[in-house]
Amino acid sequence: SQTIHQWPATLVQPVGSPLSLECTVEGTSNPNLYWYRQAAGRGLQLLFYSIGIDQISSEVPQNLSASRPQDRQFILSSKKLLLSDSGFYLCAWSGSGGYNEKLFFGSGTQLSVL
Amino acid sequence: KQEVTQIPAALSVPEGENLVLNCSFTDSAIYNLQWFRQDPGKGLTSLLLIQSSQREQTSGRLNASLDKSSGRSTLYIAASQPGDSATYLCAVPTTSGTYKYIFGTGTRLKVLA
Repeated sequence: SQTIHQWPATLVQPVGSPLSLECTVEGTSNPNLYWYRQAAGRGLQLLFYSIGIDQISSEVPQNLSASRPQDRQFILSSKKLLLSDSGFYLCAWSGSGGYNEKLFFGSGTQLSVL
Repeated sequence: KQEVTQIPAALSVPEGENLVLNCSFTDSAIYNLQWFRQDPGKGLTSLLLIQSSQREQTSGRLNASLDKSSGRSTLYIAASQPGDSATYLCAVPTTSGTYKYIFGTGTRLKVLA
């Protein structure tokens, strides 16, 4: 069966520090991968999505970046965090079989930038 | 541009009631619609995926219906329990060939014991 791992669960970082959040998927190959951010009391904002290695699309201009060093690994990074980067970050995956694939989420990372 | 709306934003019901959660979308050319559950501080759990060619899907006490022509989906929860308390979100994929999903802002459900 497929599983998705996301870590860390909680992170407190000072403004201006770097960030690295990691997500891995097991039990499938060539998944579509996503990073979402959920601000308190607001909906999910799609940050990045990837349909394959070296195929990453950014949805929102910001100081965040994403990389996919391996087929089932997706990393969200920042060189210098801003206060506005605080939020709940969620990694997700779906199969590459088309539009009728379910979307599965990791357990999330609560990031507080102070 | 597809927009997804969920009303009401919050709902409280006594245990045992049957209830309906609503999801509206502006572009009826959707491939499917998914319903998710999110517990506080947790990730989203997929509940049901209803394809555009289907009118409803059932899983246990949950039943999701889809009316593409009117741009609406409903999630019916039978005999609600306190354990059903969570935020329920719906999402549709865009039709632009990019496999992106657009989410509603959710309905926060509280089932009172």
